Amino acid sequence: DIQMTQSPSSLSASVGDRVTITCRASQGISNYLAWFQQKPGKAPKSLIYAASSLQSGVPSKFSGSGSGTDFTLTISSLQPEDFATYYCQQYNSYPLTFGPGTKVDIK
Amino acid sequence: QVQLVQSGAEVKKPGASVKVSCKASGYTFTSYYMHWVRQAPGQGLEWMGIINPSGGSTSYAQKFQGRVTMTRDTSTSTVYMELSSLRSEDTAVYYCARDPMDVWGKGTTVTVSS
Repeated sequence: DIQMTQSPSSLSASVGDRVTITCRASQGISNYLAWFQQKPGKAPKSLIYAASSLQSGVPSKFSGSGSGTDFTLTISSLQPEDFATYYCQQYNSYPLTFGPGTKVDIK
Repeated sequence: QVQLVQSGAEVKKPGASVKVSCKASGYTFTSYYMHWVRQAPGQGLEWMGIINPSGGSTSYAQKFQGRVTMTRDTSTSTVYMELSSLRSEDTAVYYCARDPMDVWGKGTTVTVSS
């Protein structure tokens, strides 16, 4: 199975900050990488697919990059509605696997 | 609009089975595979498997092989996930998600308790 790791596991940031989350795969996955946002008590929401393609309706403050084993999610200017947990996921091969999540909270 | 509506919360005893439904609307049901993902309390997301609503073929995570069965009913645009031999560790919210996980159901809470 492909293992996904994320760093940091949590971070505190202020409104307006630029935030970057890193995701690493245990083996190369090309660009078969997605990012999800989850708020407490809610289902995950798709943000990015194919490592850098923005899902329809997702604001452009979210961006993704990377290929192979190393990936990043960047939020250009953090807003109150962005405080949530973010997960990366590889879909290069079954079983699909998620990272452990990065919780972004208010400083 | 595209929507996945899941069945209501369940409480089961250890050793029992649970069957969760996910009714799709707003798109051609047989054109998109469906995933099942679960989340234990305070934990991360765990992929359980996938079903092709067109032909009914499935692929399950090794962890659930032998305990999970995913089926579909094309007449009602509904997919089902049945998990058997339940134990306390199966207490979780179970989600269906349309491939490529762009649309999710709201989740079904399954509690396993004696």
